Order: sequence, then structure tokens, then C-alpha cells
Amino acid sequence: QQQVKQSPQSLIVQKGGISIINCAYENTAFDYFPWYQQFPGKGPALLIAIRPDVSEKKEGRFTISFNKSAKQFSLHIMDSQPGDSATYFCAARRHSGNTPLVFGKGTRLSVIA
Amino acid sequence: NAGVTQTPKFQVLKTGQSMTLQCAQDMNHNSMYWYRQDPGMGLRLIYYSASEGTTDKGEVPNGYNVSRLNKREFSLRLESAAPSQTSVYFCASSLQGGGYTFGSGTRLTVV
Repeated sequence: QQQVKQSPQSLIVQKGGISIINCAYENTAFDYFPWYQQFPGKGPALLIAIRPDVSEKKEGRFTISFNKSAKQFSLHIMDSQPGDSATYFCAARRHSGNTPLVFGKGTRLSVIA
Repeated sequence: NAGVTQTPKFQVLKTGQSMTLQCAQDMNHNSMYWYRQDPGMGLRLIYYSASEGTTDKGEVPNGYNVSRLNKREFSLRLESAAPSQTSVYFCASSLQGGGYTFGSGTRLTVV
């Protein structure tokens, strides 16, 4: 049972465009939603995270939008740059307790000039 | 500040051989995790340790064992390696309920 579904699998965006990656979750107990960025040959690194008490969180060019009723959250990358080319993973977990993160299957983003 | 350190970075094993992947963190995190990453499959949890002295199975534990040696160290053992265990293995750590810090990975090939 895949608890976090991520789409699309791959994405090609022109430099300067907006990249949008979507995730949907099933477990209503989830209350922590991070996004990770992974460059080839490296481990994933935390990019930005949101908790369900807010509908949007912005850090620089990266924004998480969260829709609690639809059980969906998305990552928007504004003014996408070739250096943003990487694999992005969404994840979810219960904040309380020590349950592990559940990851989506990842989106490979390519930003072309 | 080293973060999460994994050794070795690369390894080639023959089918049936055993090996231990080492992981250490210096951030005083309570929880540690082992994931494997395969193309198109994302990150799949093998085992985790919510706190020192405890370990639990994840999504794909078969063929693996773990040891939480102390608060800093969490090792993953392959007793009898199989070609299906060819993968990239990531160790991660976190404070309770927080985000993960990942290591740089171990690329394992079983021939």
C-alpha cells in the first residue's frame, strides 16, 4: 500500500519557468510534510517542510502548498534554474511519536536552457 | 560537522558473501534509519531504530539485520548477499518527529 503518491515521475521545464510536483497522502494522522532534493551521487537533503496548520510555506523560490481537505500537497519552484535539476521526494509522517517518514517515489526534474 | 557518515562508499560482493554497512551520526539524534534506493522505486525503509536499544522492521527487511550499537551508530548487515540486494543504501537520522539528515550512501553491487 503506497501511502504517499507522487506525480509526475519526470518533468522537463524551461529555464525561468515554474516547476510543480504533486503529492497525495492517505493517512489522516500525518502531520509533517517535508520535501527532499537529491542530486546525482548524493544523499537526499531536506529542502522545505510544512505542518497542516498552514496552507502555504515559502522559502526563496520554493513554495509548499497544502490542501488538508483534499489530502494533497505540492512543491512549486519559481524561476526554475538548471541548478535545480535533481530528483525531488515528498514525504509524510506523524509528528508525534517516532514513526518513520513515508516517501513518494520521486520526480526527476530537468531544467533546460 | 560531519553529520551522518556511511562506510564504505562502494562495495562489490559475490553472491553468498556477507558484509556490514556502517553508519554513524554526530548530531545527538535519537532515531536512525536504513533505506534502499532503486530506480523507479523511491526510498524504501529497511529497518529503523526509534531510540537507542530499539529496532523495528520497515517495508523491506528480508535478508537484512541491524544493530543499534549506541546512540551514534546503527549498522546494517547482509548475511548472505543476493543480486536482488544490489542497490544504493542510505542511512539517516533525526530527532523525534523531525526531518531526516541523510548520509551520502553506499553503492552495493552483488554479482
